[in-house]
Amino acid sequence: GEEVAQTPKHLVRGEGQKAKLYCAPIKGHSYVFWYQQVLKNEFKFLISFQNENVFDETGMPKERFSAKCLPNSPCSLEIQATKLEDSAVYFCASSQPPGAGNTIYFGEGSWLTVV
Amino acid sequence: AQKITQTQPGMFVQEKEAVTLDCTYDTSDPSYGLFWYKQPSSGEMIFLIYQGSYDQQNATEGRYSLNFQKARKSANLVISASQLGDSAMYFCAMRERSNQGGKLIFGQGTELSVKP
Repeated sequence: GEEVAQTPKHLVRGEGQKAKLYCAPIKGHSYVFWYQQVLKNEFKFLISFQNENVFDETGMPKERFSAKCLPNSPCSLEIQATKLEDSAVYFCASSQPPGAGNTIYFGEGSWLTVV
Repeated sequence: AQKITQTQPGMFVQEKEAVTLDCTYDTSDPSYGLFWYKQPSSGEMIFLIYQGSYDQQNATEGRYSLNFQKARKSANLVISASQLGDSAMYFCAMRERSNQGGKLIFGQGTELSVKP
């Protein structure tokens, strides 16, 4: 597709429940990124993929967060046992490999509220 | 160390006037890209403009231009003829070629309010 498609737009989970978010990158883009934005301020990098391979997971809280990008399937970000502080907007983005003019395009975000 | 710094948490501008949003960066990578994104109250991230580290000329996209001063490591966004619809958060970001995966590193953002 011509845009990064994220689902669901909104998700409400009780503390301790699982949350799973999905992302379909732009067709032809080999890099996928997940970011967390709390209170419309700081963007926290979580993880990046090159095709189905994890490229950089330095931002992932590994004990509860996991992510996958499998062939012919949307990428996913899963949070086991959600906590109140996981309430945020989760953005997926995609791009071609880093180089001149390779813009990173963002999806509309998935708003997760943990109650 | 902060790699991208936006020192203006909030800015006001009168409609139809120009405004400059500041951004400084820090990198030792000779190859990098600088980006500006707009985030309106609806939440989506809209790409505005890109400047490559080897670009000789300042980037322009319609009413947006990027004042790139490489020696000073600054990449300020200039919005000409401000419109009410320009009211939003603006984020400066950098992508280093050598950074694993080429992830974007964001500044803290500047909230722009356009007054009628």
